[in-house]
Formats: sequence, C-alpha cells, structure tokens
Amino acid sequence: NAGVTQTPKFQVLKTGQSMTLQCAQDMNHEYMSWYRQDPGMGLRLIHYSVGAGITDQGEVPNGYNVSRSTTEDFPLRLLSAAPSQTSVYFCASSYSHTGTNTDTQYFGPGTRLTVL
Amino acid sequence: SQQGEEDPQALSIQEGENATMNCSYKTSINNLQWYRQNSGRGLVHLILIRSNEREKHSGRLRVTLDTSKKSSSLLITASRAADTASYFCATASGNYKLTFGKGTLLTVNP
Repeated sequence: NAGVTQTPKFQVLKTGQSMTLQCAQDMNHEYMSWYRQDPGMGLRLIHYSVGAGITDQGEVPNGYNVSRSTTEDFPLRLLSAAPSQTSVYFCASSYSHTGTNTDTQYFGPGTRLTVL
Repeated sequence: SQQGEEDPQALSIQEGENATMNCSYKTSINNLQWYRQNSGRGLVHLILIRSNEREKHSGRLRVTLDTSKKSSSLLITASRAADTASYFCATASGNYKLTFGKGTLLTVNP
C-alpha cells in the first residue's frame, strides 16, 4: 500500500491564484481530513470528511473548499490564495470513526505552500 | 482553539536518558493520541489511550492518562539520537475532530 499520498510537494502561488492540493489514500479509510501547520501553532483542522459525499468544516475553513466524490480522494481547493495561507498542508486518513471516536490518523508527507 | 497543550515546549537530553513530555487538555475526551514528527515530514502515530485506560506501553514508550486532572504524559526510556523529533498530543472529543497541541521539540544528543 502507498498509504496517504499528497501532490505537489512544493508550490509557489501569487496572491489571487487558485489551486488544488491533491490527497489520495489506498487503505479504504472512511475518514479523511486536511490540516495546516504553521510555526508555533501546531496543526489546525481545515475540513474533514466521514465518507464519500460527506464533508464538514474544521477550525479554520475560510478560503478553502473540499469535496469527497470517492472514498480514495479528498482534494483541497484554495479559491483565491492569500499570503496568510502560506503553510504546510497535511492530509490524513483514518479507518474508523466508531461512534464519535476519532482513531489513529495516517498522515501524508505534506505540501509546502508559499503565497507571494 | 488548542485543546491539548504540551509541556515543555523544548527538551534536550543525552542519549540513554529518559524523556518525559506532558499534555494538558480542557474538555472531556474519548481518547488521547501521541504523534511524532521528524523535521520536514508528516506525523507518525505512536500510541492511543482511551479515556477508560490509565496506562499503556509500546516498546520504549509509556503513556499515562489522568482524566481527573485532564493530563497525559509520554515517557520515552533509554532515548536514542533517532528519537530527536517533535512530539504532539491530540485529543478526540466525540465530534469527529482530532485537536492537536503545539508540540514538544525533543533533542537527544549523542
């Protein structure tokens, strides 16, 4: 299994540009999520999905869109990039969200995004 | 808002010594997880402890959970240079969201 894959690894955007960060997992996980990591801030949840066709907002959703048309893929779209979105973005997936528990997360390698 | 807060923010020890990191949180949880992040890499899951558990072991790792004090500790015994990384606690509070702390940077000197 490849696990959780993310593309691209690095990206530089100009203010106002849009782009999509790709995330895919081959573990048949129901739960997928996107985090951003900024220095001194830890990881903050952007959006998450508990299954195909179901998404919800996390702690910092503004400026980002997601969709989940398949179990495997969970792309993150930046609608109009801003310098405040300069960060490292991590995608994660989890097999089980039994009841209301969130279990072990498997993380991708990250995408380092710079917005000029 | 941060749920888990690690302490200390940074820890420097010699190889062979034990390293202890603490995590405090604010609201009730279903489980608490510890992750490791090597510089420039994604996070790797270390151990999960559920709210009805008090202690768990995995290799050189020992995690305790005190729900009355809303705190957890991660002990790494006989540390190695390869243990140098950032360590994060994350809490699951029953709303499908995992909330991470800001992390402890552990440096193990050879």
